[in-house]
Amino acid sequence: ILNVEQSPQSLHVQEGDSTNFTCSFPSSNFYALHWYRWETAKSPEALFVMTLNGDEKKKGRISATLNTKEGYSYLYIKGSQPEDSATYLCAFIARGSTLGRLYFGRGTQLTVWP
Amino acid sequence: DSGVTQTPKHLITATGQRVTLRCSPRSGDLSVYWYQQSLDQGLQFLIQYYNGEERAKGNILERFSAQQFPDLHSELNLSSLELGDSALYFCASSPRGAGHYEQYFGPGTRLTVT
Repeated sequence: ILNVEQSPQSLHVQEGDSTNFTCSFPSSNFYALHWYRWETAKSPEALFVMTLNGDEKKKGRISATLNTKEGYSYLYIKGSQPEDSATYLCAFIARGSTLGRLYFGRGTQLTVWP
Repeated sequence: DSGVTQTPKHLITATGQRVTLRCSPRSGDLSVYWYQQSLDQGLQFLIQYYNGEERAKGNILERFSAQQFPDLHSELNLSSLELGDSALYFCASSPRGAGHYEQYFGPGTRLTVT
């Protein structure tokens, strides 16, 4: 079983603050990393699919970076808004026999206060 | 709306019973994934099908089985249900079977075993 760790577990910030959180994964056999946003009472929604070391992806105020050699990815939110409140999940895919299987972290629960 | 549909939305049944959860992927998507989310667990990958064939298997119990039909819809069968099977079951789809494609999640089926 592959271990995918996310930190912090939860985060409370004020509207307008910028924030970031971490996803750590095994650095060997890397194939891809996914980030998902999961709002309460809804289903997870894809943010980014990252495949190359050094990848940087951006969608509006949200961006992500990837370091496959050291096994981590950062998700950044610039100028947080209350509508950014959600759980952010990362999911690791390993090369090899388990290709296609996503190993999810437990998520970082973000609350943005107005 | 992700384009992935799941039925039913809610299901309440007794221990020992058998239920079938149904998933229709987005139009054109060949891969279907099943996930389980229990209260004390993150998203757990159960199984993946690609164009009718089983592609990857995760933490799926022997009491559970799945299949993907020629029209690409999928069913997850849960039998000899136990209280611990109570969970939110998500289906997701993607265009292909590998991890480079983001997954689109359905709204989930909430199963309660009493």
